[in-house]
Amino acid sequence: EAQVTQNPRYLITVTGKKLTVTCSQNMNHEYMSWYRQDPGLGLRQIYYSMNVEVTDKGDVPEGYKVSRKEKRNFPLILESPSPNQTSLYFCASSLSPLEVRRGTDTQYFGPGTRLTVL
Amino acid sequence: GENVEQHPSTLSVQEGDSAVIKCTYSDSASNYFPWYKQELGKGPQLIIDIRSNVGEKKDQRIAVTLNKTAKHFSLHITETQPEDSAVYFCAASRAYSSASKIIFGSGTRLSIRP
Repeated sequence: EAQVTQNPRYLITVTGKKLTVTCSQNMNHEYMSWYRQDPGLGLRQIYYSMNVEVTDKGDVPEGYKVSRKEKRNFPLILESPSPNQTSLYFCASSLSPLEVRRGTDTQYFGPGTRLTVL
Repeated sequence: GENVEQHPSTLSVQEGDSAVIKCTYSDSASNYFPWYKQELGKGPQLIIDIRSNVGEKKDQRIAVTLNKTAKHFSLHITETQPEDSAVYFCAASRAYSSASKIIFGSGTRLSIRP
């Protein structure tokens, strides 16, 4: 089954304690992305990756890091979490935008990770 | 910076009536406009998309229109049903560009009254 998985689904942590949210896809997608969702603000892109070892900042990258060492995995790292990073996080993957002509540029979203930073 | 504005933020319609959600975008280089539906406790799911070389696209009860000159696009849902109740997001991106930032609207919570 084609899917994007995220772990953990729920996390409560304290300010300053480093954490990693994992994201994995089994569709051999080149493009992966992280979003945060906050009430009234919709989805905001944090970082995206066009392929292995290629990452770039989205709209709200401050306080986050990512890595793309393998095609299937795209972890989100919070080196020193702060309460303003309390949010619902989604990972997504899709075909490379440059190959979108083959069909629809569907982004598949993971189930979400609800993070609370105290 | 680039942004996408979405209206209304909440919408309540009688079952069987039509619902319309509107978005405007600022980046004139945007050429791909997807719409997502998010049900409670789930991630967003693509329901329909449109590219800049097309003015309208329809898929059963759902249609999307695009006005590139005015930089706005709309989602139309006809004959609404209870299962259409969800949060809907529009988005805009440069699908064929190496700069593949995707900008989402703030969402519309659609409620269908029985």
